[in-house]
Order: sequence, then C-alpha cells, then structure tokens
Amino acid sequence: QSALTQPASVSGSPGQSITISCTGGSSDVGGYNYVSWYQQHPGKVPKLIIYDVNYRPAGVSSRFSGSKSGNTASLTISGLQAEDEADYYCCSYSSSTGSSTRVFGTGTTVTVL
Amino acid sequence: QVQLVQSGAELKKPGASMKISCKASGYTFISYYMHWVRQAPGQGLQWMGIINPNGGRTTYEPRFQGRITMTTDTSMNTVYLELSSLTSEDTGVYYCARDARWFDPWGQGTLVTVSS
Repeated sequence: QSALTQPASVSGSPGQSITISCTGGSSDVGGYNYVSWYQQHPGKVPKLIIYDVNYRPAGVSSRFSGSKSGNTASLTISGLQAEDEADYYCCSYSSSTGSSTRVFGTGTTVTVL
Repeated sequence: QVQLVQSGAELKKPGASMKISCKASGYTFISYYMHWVRQAPGQGLQWMGIINPNGGRTTYEPRFQGRITMTTDTSMNTVYLELSSLTSEDTGVYYCARDARWFDPWGQGTLVTVSS
C-alpha cells in the first residue's frame, strides 16, 4: 500500500503557526477517524502527539492540534518554538488491502527559522 | 509504567534471517495488540504488521508477506519479529509499539545492520 502524502518540509519563525497536511484516500484517512501524528527528534523514538484525528495525549502541549477534511488530515503547530524542530509523521488505519492495516505518511521535517 | 524493552543490535549477512524481541511490562499483555515499525537510515516510518498476543493472529504489510513472522510468548510477555532473506535494504531500526488505534508507547528500537 502507498504511503500517505506529506510535504517534505515546512518552516516557520518562532511564534508563528504552521500546518502539515497528510493526504490519503477513502480507504484510509477519508474513511476512518483513526489518524494519529508522531513527532521524532533526530536519533530518538517517535512520540505520539495526536490520536483519533484531534485528541492530545496527556502531557502534550496544547500548541499541537489536529483536524481532518475529506481525505486530508492536518497537524497545526501554533506558537512555534525551537523545540518543535523535528520530523512529523501521520498514520492512519487502512482497509486498502482488504485487511485492517496501518499506513504512515512520508514524513515532514519542520524547521524553525 | 507501561514499558516496551527491545533486544539489542544485530549484524546480519545478506540472505540470513533475524529474530528480535520486545518485552512488555506495566499492563495486561494480552489486552493490547502490538505493531512492528521499521525505519531505514534517513528514511521515514514503515508499518510492518500487527499481532494479537491473545491467540497470535497476525496481519502483515503485503510487501513483507512470505518472509515475515510475528509471534508471541505470553509466559514472557514478549513478542518477536522474524524476517528472512535479508538484504541491505532491510538495514534499519525496528520498533515495536503498543496498539490502541494509535502507537503508544514505543520500544527503544533495535538496530539491524545487513552487511557482508
């Protein structure tokens, strides 16, 4: 199955807001509210920051928010901070193969200018 | 606290097989499915498959079908990932991650290097 499509890179200045898109199809992003987002700093383990499209786990900053429209999910980081510089991956439940699987996005590198 | 601890790094020759482990603690092992995710050097995350520790039912990403096996030992609260016919393209960090429609927590990762 093909990876979900994310922009390769997004950048912003401290304090700004940025949005990362994650585009799939009707058998994954568009068909289920099971999109999650992960932050990964270099050499580190991925960290869950959004689940079920727009829910934040305990301890995750409220500057992170998620949404979905049709086949595209989005992650918004508001009040951008230096510590937000990392790679971000979306992931969706998928039924494209006829079984219940998962598919990750291609990943987006966020740079804080 | 919920914790997943993976086995150590491995060096394998092309054509060989690998078997790595992920030991869970801090929760009822059979109550949550477990995923395996791979990350090649400098690349993104790739979902490999999922196992239900309660019975061992698996679903694999089609591209790995035929050379991947996930198993579980409920007496040891451990899941295993086997991958055969290794090539250099299998080099990367392999993560286990607990399922709850999302991946959390993750193991610390196991680096597998395939090289002659």
